[in-house]
Amino acid sequence: GAGVSQSPRYKVAKRGQDVALRCDPISGHVSLFWYQQALGQGPEFLTYFQNEAQLDKSGLPSDRFFAERPEGSVSTLKIQRTQQEDSAVYLCASSLAGFNQPQHFGDGTRLSIL
Amino acid sequence: GENVEQHPSTLSVQEGDSAVIKCTYSDSASNYFPWYKQELGKGPQLIIDIRSNVGEKKDQRIAVTLNKTAKHFSLHITETQPEDSAVYFCAKASGNNRLAFGKGNQVVVIP
Repeated sequence: GAGVSQSPRYKVAKRGQDVALRCDPISGHVSLFWYQQALGQGPEFLTYFQNEAQLDKSGLPSDRFFAERPEGSVSTLKIQRTQQEDSAVYLCASSLAGFNQPQHFGDGTRLSIL
Repeated sequence: GENVEQHPSTLSVQEGDSAVIKCTYSDSASNYFPWYKQELGKGPQLIIDIRSNVGEKKDQRIAVTLNKTAKHFSLHITETQPEDSAVYFCAKASGNNRLAFGKGNQVVVIP
């Protein structure tokens, strides 16, 4: 079956531009997570959705980061006024229900801010 | 409570030998411990997981052991093959809506 799909795979933007990253979770998965992975590090939690409800956004680094999942399926992570420190791989994961159920990851979007 | 420590950072093994990676944690509330394999340019792939009510779990050449008293859990790969070369991450879940990941171990299997 289809796994978690993320697009684009690579995104290059100039500092100050806005970007939008998309995640298509596994069909039927209620929970959706966004993580940020810096080079040589493990993924760091950003935010968590249960269906369309954003239950936890405590990992978002600033108010320039915004995530939504309006219909409880596809999710978008938006970064406004990008800065160089936003350069990282952004990973999306989904699970059947909850954070302590197996989370399945997409291949991520590699974001480079020039 | 969030930290997960992974040891060693890099591990080289001869093909056919076993590899063991250990992770330690401090939060007693942690109840779910997955292991992920990440290849270059790919997302983390779940390879095995264990819950706090179980001490050991095995899936073919992969096994995970959990010592709740000592607060550590380990990944064991037997009969290593070149395709086992990757970065391996341990993670834990407690009560705060997230997985907390270790920094990863680079495993190199030498043919």
